[in-house]
Amino acid sequence: EVQLVQSGAEVKKPGESLKISCKGSGYTFSSYWIGWVRQMPGKGLEWMGTIYPGDSDTRYSPSFQGQVTISADKSISTAYLQWSSLKASDTAMYYCARRKVSSEEFDYWGQGTLVTVSS
Amino acid sequence: DIQLTQSPSFLSASVGDRVTITCRASQGISSYLAWYQQKPGKAPELLIYAASTLQSGVPSRFSGSGSGTEFTLTISSLQPEDFATYYCQQVSSFPLTFGGGTKVEIK
Repeated sequence: EVQLVQSGAEVKKPGESLKISCKGSGYTFSSYWIGWVRQMPGKGLEWMGTIYPGDSDTRYSPSFQGQVTISADKSISTAYLQWSSLKASDTAMYYCARRKVSSEEFDYWGQGTLVTVSS
Repeated sequence: DIQLTQSPSFLSASVGDRVTITCRASQGISSYLAWYQQKPGKAPELLIYAASTLQSGVPSRFSGSGSGTEFTLTISSLQPEDFATYYCQQVSSFPLTFGGGTKVEIK
């Protein structure tokens, strides 16, 4: 069974750093792209970027380029999303999702990680 | 970036109703469109990809159609478990973009 399990909720202060994770199981992790999607409170879905764990090839949305870093460690089947300096506007639910093998849609999703940034 | 406009943004319907949601793209995207369902407090789930292909395990009451700039998601007979928010997503070009969502509520 394909599963993506994300790390738990985080409460941080503005200016702090953070790295959240997404661990895949039930499939060959290195062979499927993993994407990250943001959902701000009460709002819609925003694609942030996608990484191929096999070679760490990464594509970012221009809206998020330079604001976050997406990485992966294929040896432990885990993808990451990190911030070096959080802002209150980063408060959101963050989902990781597996891309289908031959197209860009996301066929499996993690349960989401809620990040709250507040002073 | 390709903009996706969903309509309506909200609809109220009854169990058994036929429901249609529209997604319009700001430029042609061939059939590179997906539909997702999201229930409160849950992650989105893929319903349809390539505009009209049903994802494995999705009930056949869901169907998708369209190409180019206009697409529709149809639920042939609304069931209680279908009350949720639906999003379209274009996968034609980067950055990938989503529509604003359509919330389907019980009348």
